[in-house]
Order: sequence, then structure tokens, then C-alpha cells
Amino acid sequence: GAGVSQSPRYKVAKRGQDVALRCDPISGHVSLFWYQQALGQGPEFLTYFQNEAQLDKSGLPSDRFFAERPEGSVSTLKIQRTQQEDSAVYLCASSQDRGPSQPQHFGDGTRLSIL
Amino acid sequence: AQKVTQAQTEISVVEKEDVTLDCVYETRDTTYYLFWYKQPPSGELVFLIRRNSFDEQNEISGRYSWNFQKSTSSFNFTITASQVVDSAVYFCALSEAESGHSTLTFGKGTMLLVSP
Repeated sequence: GAGVSQSPRYKVAKRGQDVALRCDPISGHVSLFWYQQALGQGPEFLTYFQNEAQLDKSGLPSDRFFAERPEGSVSTLKIQRTQQEDSAVYLCASSQDRGPSQPQHFGDGTRLSIL
Repeated sequence: AQKVTQAQTEISVVEKEDVTLDCVYETRDTTYYLFWYKQPPSGELVFLIRRNSFDEQNEISGRYSWNFQKSTSSFNFTITASQVVDSAVYFCALSEAESGHSTLTFGKGTMLLVSP
């Protein structure tokens, strides 16, 4: 399809395991964002890419979280040594350009549950 | 720091009623952008509208209308003649020009339940 695609849709992992979440943005979109959405809350910013450059990672909660976008298209969010508080929906969004006025287009998210 | 407040956690209405969702924001930037997104049960956030800080004209799109008032830092959203399909969580969000990119600060959302 033409929208933002995220996989897997659901992920269950045991505490301490590493997980990798994938985002395939809309083709040609320069900007890519990751957000974390806890139950009953609004999405919270994690990190931002402009093409392959990670320009802002101020929202990553700890050094267990790592994101990359090596070719300026697909992005992966990796969480190492998962903990229960990492349980949330992880949303990926892309926008055509980099300016603050650009509306973001979101994927369906990956619902991560840590047991 | 920027902040978005949606004081209404949940609103329940009966079909055909009008409903207004409130949004109040805080920012020190003089140039900023306000957005509304809809999140149905499927989870995907759907973009509804963008408004920049220099344009205080109200906007109407079908049954949807938005009232932006800089004096009260509010950007409220009204659905006229609500329908069951309007049931969703609605988020108000803010991005600031100073950031150089469109990172969004979201409110906590308002869940709208429209019953037949």
C-alpha cells in the first residue's frame, strides 16, 4: 500500500530479550519519527531522522533504545534487555519534508508486551 | 517547554448531537503549528487538520469545524451531527518552528463515544 507500514503488528517478549521493530515509510518521505504510546496516553516523541541522519534522539528513554535508518528509507527501532515498562505501542510516522508545518502520516503501530 | 492539554478524558454523546473537543496549548515560540489527529480502534493516527499560528480563521470541513483563538491559546474541534463512525480518540498536537522539524507534542487525547 501507499501508507506507512510497521511490523510486526504485535510482539510479545520476555523481560531481558532484545526486540527489533520495523518501519517502512511512505516512499520519498524525507522525515521519519518514532513515538511511544502508553495505554491511555498520547504518543511521546522518541527520535527523528532526516534521510539517514538521526538528528534528534532526545526522547529515547535509555541507552537500551537504539534506532537506525541506514539508507534513508526503512527504519528499525531496537530495544535491548527489555523491561516491563517498555510495554507500549510504538508508532512510526513519516512526512514529505522536514519543516515543522508538515503533517505526519502514521503507521498502525507495533504493540509490544513484555512479560 | 511546549505542552498540550486536553482536559476532557472521555465524552459520550448520542448520534446527531454536536460535540466540542477542547485543546489548550503552551509554547514560547511565536511560530507554531497545531494539528488534530483521529485514532480509531485500529490504532492508526489519521491527520485531520493543520493550523499555523498566524492564521486565526476558523475552518469548516463538512461536519467538522475548528476554532483557533490565540488569545486563549485554544484550538477547539467541533463535530456537528455526530455519527457512530466518529467514535475514536482525538488528539491535539503542537509543533514549533524553532525545532526546525515537525516533531509533535501531543495531548493525552479525548475519547469520543457516539452511541446510536
